[in-house]
Amino acid sequence: GQNIDQPTEMTATEGAIVQINCTYQTSGFNGLFWYQQHAGEAPTFLSYNVLDGLEEKGRFSSFLSRSKGYSYLLLKELQMKDSASYLCAVRDSNYQLIWGAGTKLIIKP
Amino acid sequence: IAGITQAPTSQILAAGRRMTLRCTQDMRHNAMYWYRQDLGLGLRLIHYSNTAGTTGKGEVPDGYSVSRANTDDFPLTLASAVPSQTSVYFCASSALAGESTDTQYFGPGTRLTVL
Repeated sequence: GQNIDQPTEMTATEGAIVQINCTYQTSGFNGLFWYQQHAGEAPTFLSYNVLDGLEEKGRFSSFLSRSKGYSYLLLKELQMKDSASYLCAVRDSNYQLIWGAGTKLIIKP
Repeated sequence: IAGITQAPTSQILAAGRRMTLRCTQDMRHNAMYWYRQDLGLGLRLIHYSNTAGTTGKGEVPDGYSVSRANTDDFPLTLASAVPSQTSVYFCASSALAGESTDTQYFGPGTRLTVL
């Protein structure tokens, strides 16, 4: 079967750095996405990786290792507004997105 | 530009009733999707449409039907609602289904409770 694993919940301090991990086992791989979802709102696109390595976009970076079936989302200089759930999704061989359950990130002052 | 709109925002429905959730996008995207999101589970695909006039089944299609008569609209119908269909429903769209870089954009969601 297909599986995406993420930690259920993480806590970090305002101004700090946090890394959210995602491991996947899917039938084929055609890219990995990270989305942010604030409580009661829709998911919004953050980043996309299809090749190994680090993609940086402002305070957010995303890393991919296809050989290890592993990705992480790195958030720097954490702000209170970063409190949200972070969803990892993999595009499989049928070009459908397989979603993880999401990681709820709690930021404390 | 609204992007993707969904209606209603929320609904409480008696079991056995028929219900249609509406979704409209104004981005001229080819592909549209319906997901449900339940606590502790990832988004699960119900049905999708890669282009107007075509539809396909996702991971959890039973009890749901869709149609795609034009590019903009993608309604989801529950023929006879059951309590297990209580969930938050998200509609999404993307420009180019079948491309690895294709990014999905989501509507605000419909919170449905079936009693």
